[in-house]
Amino acid sequence: DTAVSQTPKYLVTQMGNDKSIKCEQNLGHDTMYWYKQDSKKFLKIMFSYNNKELIINETVPNRFSPKSPDKAHLNLHINSLELGDSAVYFCASSQGRGSLSEQFFGPGTRLTVL
Amino acid sequence: AQKVTQAQTEISVVEKEDVTLDCVYETRDTTYYLFWYKQPPSGELVFLIRRNSFDEQNEISGRYSWNFQKSTSSFNFTITASQVVDSAVYFCALRGSFGETSGSRLTFGEGTQLTVNP
Repeated sequence: DTAVSQTPKYLVTQMGNDKSIKCEQNLGHDTMYWYKQDSKKFLKIMFSYNNKELIINETVPNRFSPKSPDKAHLNLHINSLELGDSAVYFCASSQGRGSLSEQFFGPGTRLTVL
Repeated sequence: AQKVTQAQTEISVVEKEDVTLDCVYETRDTTYYLFWYKQPPSGELVFLIRRNSFDEQNEISGRYSWNFQKSTSSFNFTITASQVVDSAVYFCALRGSFGETSGSRLTFGEGTQLTVNP
């Protein structure tokens, strides 16, 4: 059983398009995250939701909009895609926002903007 | 502000050698948590270990061991008798506890690419 799943795994699109990445976790966790890993492998947090409430919103262009319909899902919508958006996007989840529990990561979505 | 530094960008060893991956962190929090993750060529992030700031005991898990030294703000990771399957990017990460918002985010180091050659 997949704990944190993301769809799609690969996404290739043209500049200017709008696309969404979906994330679902079946761990019963109440906190979910989006991270971006750039071409140099650097991982940085973008957003975090706790019980559907946005609690972390890093300096990310407002073309990126997370949406959490329920505790088990956190989707990432990106408008007007740019070349620099090409990266691997990881979703993660944990139980509690300040607790000791580790974050479990999804398999990642490799986004390529042409 | 939190910061994690992994000074070794790439390490290459021959199978069966021991290898240590360095991690140095900065935080103002008195309570914090340190992690190591492995990212194999397949791309997923695999959790390896969590350590809280009150527990300075070293930990061993099979061929893996971790040395946490609060005095030097380091949390180093050693692989004994390395194997080709250990080839991956290894990330050290820090999560603070000051304020709930800060407590959630993981601050990652830049990663160390380990290549184990046969």
